[in-house]
Amino acid sequence: EIVLTQSPGTLSLSPGERATLSCRASQSTYTRYLAWYQQKPGQAPTLLIYGASTRASGIPDRFSGSGSETDFTLTISRLEPEDFAVYYCLHYASTPSFTFGPGTKVDIK
Amino acid sequence: EVQLVQSGAEVKKPGESLRISCKTSGYKFTNYWIGWVRQMPGKGLEWMGIIDPGDSDTRYSPSFQGQVTISVDKSISAAYLQWSSLRASDTAMYFCARRGYVAGVVFVDYWGQGTLVTVSS
Repeated sequence: EIVLTQSPGTLSLSPGERATLSCRASQSTYTRYLAWYQQKPGQAPTLLIYGASTRASGIPDRFSGSGSETDFTLTISRLEPEDFAVYYCLHYASTPSFTFGPGTKVDIK
Repeated sequence: EVQLVQSGAEVKKPGESLRISCKTSGYKFTNYWIGWVRQMPGKGLEWMGIIDPGDSDTRYSPSFQGQVTISVDKSISAAYLQWSSLRASDTAMYFCARRGYVAGVVFVDYWGQGTLVTVSS
């Protein structure tokens, strides 16, 4: 079973800054099985990126995903006030099941 | 429009049983697996298990095997998460989630709004 590690645990930044979030898999996986989600307090997660790099419908282009094999990255090019939230990566295993990373909290510096 | 609408918040005592629901609409229910996700207070997301509504084939994550039961009712396009004997440690928000796929890419594409379960004596 693949284990996901996210870093950093917390990222303190100011609006307008660039955020780089990492998701590392314990073994090589396919890009088509890696997705990113945003979660705000009291809400369900929202899909941002699927297939490691494809933006979901309605997601602003300041969000981008990249990576392959074991190392994946979510980049927010310029943080807007509504982007301060927790971000999770999610991996699909063909068992079928999913595994979440522990999350990265992006908070206001 | 695809929708997953969950049942309302529950307050239960330890040892009681509970079933929460996730009613779906806007798509063919039997074409997409449905899963359940736990989020304990102040913690991250945990995948509990997933069911194929077509044949009720169910797969549980190891931590949840034997602790909960996932089922569906195809006649009303609903999925369920059930406990036979709740514990205080089951206090959490529970989300249902649809497994989506596009050209071989697999991910969770739709979520329910969540059901808060509180277990307290």
